[in-house]
Amino acid sequence: GNSVTQMEGPVTLSEEAFLTINCTYTATGYPSLFWYVQYPGEGLQLLLKATKADDKGSNKGFEATYRKETTSFHLEKGSVQVSDSAVYFCALTLPLNAGNNRKLIWGLGTSLAVNP
Amino acid sequence: DAMVIQNPRYQVTQFGKPVTLSCSQTLNHNVMYWYQQKSSQAPKLLFHYYDKDFNNEADTPDNFQSRRPNTSFCFLDIRSPGLGDAAMYLCATSSDRDSSTDTQYFGPGTRLTVL
Repeated sequence: GNSVTQMEGPVTLSEEAFLTINCTYTATGYPSLFWYVQYPGEGLQLLLKATKADDKGSNKGFEATYRKETTSFHLEKGSVQVSDSAVYFCALTLPLNAGNNRKLIWGLGTSLAVNP
Repeated sequence: DAMVIQNPRYQVTQFGKPVTLSCSQTLNHNVMYWYQQKSSQAPKLLFHYYDKDFNNEADTPDNFQSRRPNTSFCFLDIRSPGLGDAAMYLCATSSDRDSSTDTQYFGPGTRLTVL
């Protein structure tokens, strides 16, 4: 079946450290891949996305590259800030034109805490 | 700015007392979703509307209902809230008219407390 696996948290880093949150997927066909971020007490915000192999999504200093050969979409940031403390969710959807439903398939989320 | 709005942000209800949560959007998206999220777990899809067509998830309890009177608004009705229904409820929208990718955009959520 289709699934998303994220590295388990919590992840604790010092400010300005390099961040990697691993995400791998299993899917039939060619999924679109997403990273969502949830700050404490808030809803989910789309952080970045990629819709085909080798695409790189980027936003707010975060990047992730769609790697079909390794079925991965790892999230990276070169220098984290205290304000990046949040829960990060990796997710996928399958192409609509292949008769798939529009359901997001979620990873379990990774909690990030950045200390000053 | 175009957005997804949820009201109220915090809702307190009593055990068994019906409650309605609302969602509106200015994105003119044709698909609207309701999710339940507990304790920063992954959101759980309850149902969605594709235009006027209602699509219920197989494991969504009958206690949860939804209405979509027009493109912009969607409501979540909990007929008899139990303690286990305390959660964050998230509304999301998407549009499949311009792309083969169904990107979902979320509102800020309503935190429901059941006393």
